Amino acid sequence: DIQMTQSPSSLSASVGDRVTITCRASQSISSYLNWYQQKPGKAPKLLMYAASNLQSGVPPRFSGSGSGTDFTLTISSLQPEDFATYYCQLSYSTLYTFGQGTKLEI
Amino acid sequence: QVQLVESGGGVVQPGRSLRLSCAASGFTLSTYGIHWVRQAPGKGLEWVAVIWYDGSNKLYADPVKGRFTISRDNSKNTVYLQMNSLRVEDTAVYYCARPEYDSSGFYSYFDLWGRGTLVTVSS
Repeated sequence: DIQMTQSPSSLSASVGDRVTITCRASQSISSYLNWYQQKPGKAPKLLMYAASNLQSGVPPRFSGSGSGTDFTLTISSLQPEDFATYYCQLSYSTLYTFGQGTKLEI
Repeated sequence: QVQLVESGGGVVQPGRSLRLSCAASGFTLSTYGIHWVRQAPGKGLEWVAVIWYDGSNKLYADPVKGRFTISRDNSKNTVYLQMNSLRVEDTAVYYCARPEYDSSGFYSYFDLWGRGTLVTVSS
């Protein structure tokens, strides 16, 4: 099985900060990597797909990069509504593994 | 309105069964596969199962294999998750999610999620 490991597990930041979250796959997954945002009591929301493609309606302060085993999600200037938990996800063939999550706190 | 709505959650004793439903509206369910994803209290997301658009293929995560069965009734726009031999560790919010593909057809992602239904397994 391919393992997805996010770092850090939690992160404290302030409004206006630039923040980067990392996701590492235990073996190469090309660009089969998605990012989701989840707020307490809510369903996850798709942010990025195929590593670097912004989902429609998601603000452009979010960006994604990487391929192979190392991926990043960057928020260029944190807004109050961005404080949430972020998950990466492998989605390829019959594999749909999520990372353990990164909680972004004030 | 395009949406997925889960139902059927509740409190159940270990070893008992429960059936969850995922009802689709606003789009043609029969053209989509559907996934179930769960989240234990205070924990992360865990993929559970998927069913192909026509029901021809079904896949399960190892922790639920042999105990859970995914099925669908496209005439009712509904996907089901039959959960048998429930364990305390199955306690979670269960979400259904719709996969979509990018223009190349190679990359898939979950673009539509329900609000979830809570399953509590406790004696």
